[in-house]
Amino acid sequence: QQQVKQSPQSLIVQKGGISIINCAYENTAFDYFPWYQQFPGKGPALLIAIRPDVSEKKEGRFTISFNKSAKQFSLHIMDSQPGDSATYFCAASSGGYQKVTFGIGTKLQVIP
Amino acid sequence: EAQVTQNPRYLITVTGKKLTVTCSQNMNHEYMSWYRQDPGLGLRQIYYSMNVEVTDKGDVPEGYKVSRKEKRNFPLILESPSPNQTSLYFCASRAETGFNSPLHFGNGTRLTVT
Repeated sequence: QQQVKQSPQSLIVQKGGISIINCAYENTAFDYFPWYQQFPGKGPALLIAIRPDVSEKKEGRFTISFNKSAKQFSLHIMDSQPGDSATYFCAASSGGYQKVTFGIGTKLQVIP
Repeated sequence: EAQVTQNPRYLITVTGKKLTVTCSQNMNHEYMSWYRQDPGLGLRQIYYSMNVEVTDKGDVPEGYKVSRKEKRNFPLILESPSPNQTSLYFCASRAETGFNSPLHFGNGTRLTVT
């Protein structure tokens, strides 16, 4: 049972465009929603995270939008650059944050 | 440099031959965890440890063992590997300083079981 559903699995965006990746969750106990970025040959690294008491968080060109009632959250990458080409994972955890559930990942390619 | 170090990076083995993948972190983190990454399935948690001698199952623990005898080390043990354990494995650690403490991942171990 996939507790965090992520889409799309792959995404091609032109340089300067907006990349949007969506995630939906089922467990209402989740209260921490991070996004991780993974480059080839490397482990994932935290990009940005949000808690459900806010609807949006922005860090530079990266924004998380959070809709608690719909149990959905999304990552927006503004002015996408070729250097943003990577795999992006949404994730969710609850309580003591021991167990972190990841989405299946989205492979983003930004073409010049 | 703060880091999580996994060894080996690549490993090819045969069915049934016991193996250990090592993981070490130099950040004095309490929490450590193992994940496997498979196409179309994302990252799935195998085991995690909240501190020395404290371990618990993640979502896919079958066929794996772990131990946490020292704070810095968290080895993953496959007693009798099978082909369905062919995967990319990641070790991660995190400080227990609050909800926004990020996971720090190693660079992965690609395991092939023939």
